[in-house]
Amino acid sequence: GAGVSQSPSNKVTEKGKDVELRCDPISGHTALYWYRQSLGQGLEFLIYFQGNSAPDKSGLPSDRFSAERTGGSVSTLTIQRTQQEDSAVYLCASSLGSGRGTGELFFGEGSRLTVL
Amino acid sequence: AQSVSQHNHHVILSEAASLELGCNYSYGGTVNLFWYVQYPGQHLQLLLKYFSGDPLVKGIKGFEAEFIKSKFSFNLRKPSVQWSDTAEYFCAVTLGYSSASKIIFGSGTRLSIRP
Repeated sequence: GAGVSQSPSNKVTEKGKDVELRCDPISGHTALYWYRQSLGQGLEFLIYFQGNSAPDKSGLPSDRFSAERTGGSVSTLTIQRTQQEDSAVYLCASSLGSGRGTGELFFGEGSRLTVL
Repeated sequence: AQSVSQHNHHVILSEAASLELGCNYSYGGTVNLFWYVQYPGQHLQLLLKYFSGDPLVKGIKGFEAEFIKSKFSFNLRKPSVQWSDTAEYFCAVTLGYSSASKIIFGSGTRLSIRP
């Protein structure tokens, strides 16, 4: 597609359930990033991928959070045993990942997660 | 560790006023610097970027930013704001590598323009 696509756009779940959030980056973009944006807060870095590898997972808040990327394309962010503090908008972004394109991120619309 | 500080959380201006939003980062090495904007109901988009060269960079919609290395700053400016500039503005920094690396964002500055 023309842009970064995220699904679902909205997810309401009960505390303790697992959720999966999906990101489909722009074709040809080798770098993919996940951020979390809570109400009134900035963008909290979670993880980034270069290809299928995740060189920096330091932002994942706990071991309940995991992410993978397959085929250098689609990525899934999984949150196990969700807690109310996980409620936020989860943003995915992709970039060329090299040269002058490094750091120029193209964002998706986000997945709004609400944990009841 | 890298960090980005945006000290202005909410700025309110009248149309035609001049704007300056502060951004400071903490990292002693080579950095790439960015400003992103999020208009109401829209996704984040790049406003401008600095990689190297002229420290005064110009972006879309009349925005510019100046990289002052000695002050670790990358402040965003616009001479005359419009109501349509109402948005949230985020400063971001990444290490000056040639390949992808961690990109850190500031907490954002909400800009409200009174018509």
